[in-house]
Amino acid sequence: DAKTTQPPSMDCAEGRAANLPCNHSTISGNEYVYWYRQIHSQGPQYIIHGLKNNETNEMASLIITEDRKSSTLILPHATLRDTAVYYCIVSSNDYKLSFGAGTTVTVRA
Amino acid sequence: GAVVSQHPSRVICKSGTSVKIECRSLDFQATTMFWYRQFPKKSLMLMATSNEGSKATYEQGVEKDKFLINHASLTLSTLTVTSAHPEDSSFYICSARPALTDLAKNIQYFGAGTRLSVL
Repeated sequence: DAKTTQPPSMDCAEGRAANLPCNHSTISGNEYVYWYRQIHSQGPQYIIHGLKNNETNEMASLIITEDRKSSTLILPHATLRDTAVYYCIVSSNDYKLSFGAGTTVTVRA
Repeated sequence: GAVVSQHPSRVICKSGTSVKIECRSLDFQATTMFWYRQFPKKSLMLMATSNEGSKATYEQGVEKDKFLINHASLTLSTLTVTSAHPEDSSFYICSARPALTDLAKNIQYFGAGTRLSVL
């Protein structure tokens, strides 16, 4: 599976949009981009995934660049409960998820 | 929907004893379940992949005789830490991949985790 690079941490203001970047320059054609998050001392939570088109669900939006080498997770209106570690994972169909260090997002009031 | 229940949430045991952790998919069937371990301030590390009705596949460096995995049904997988020692103290997390998931997609739903402390 292709590796991903994320900033180690970022702060954002409550009520504002949070844009979380992820680089995956070695992604191959059959690999999806997945985003999970882990709130302190809990199991990870699935957020969203995409292949090449932009995706949106009730939690977030995923913007994937045309060359698929990077993506951005957008939390449209961050709340204090969105404080968590966010993981960007690229995975093919071998059913494994490889978790990196992720981005620690702190939402401040 | 897509709820995974993990029990117990916390366990404290004496060195040398065995501990069983259960992982259940409550509202879906899971042909594949996964077990992860997470040390403080570290990311999740995959320990093993469990397929219903067959032997688990362990990641390199994970002792299969120490971490026994059983996936007897489409909704239940168990992890038994045998002869636990203080270095086994960690946060253990399971996940389940729905059986009807498109083969190309790797969406997993996670339990809340089990914090194991071995004295």
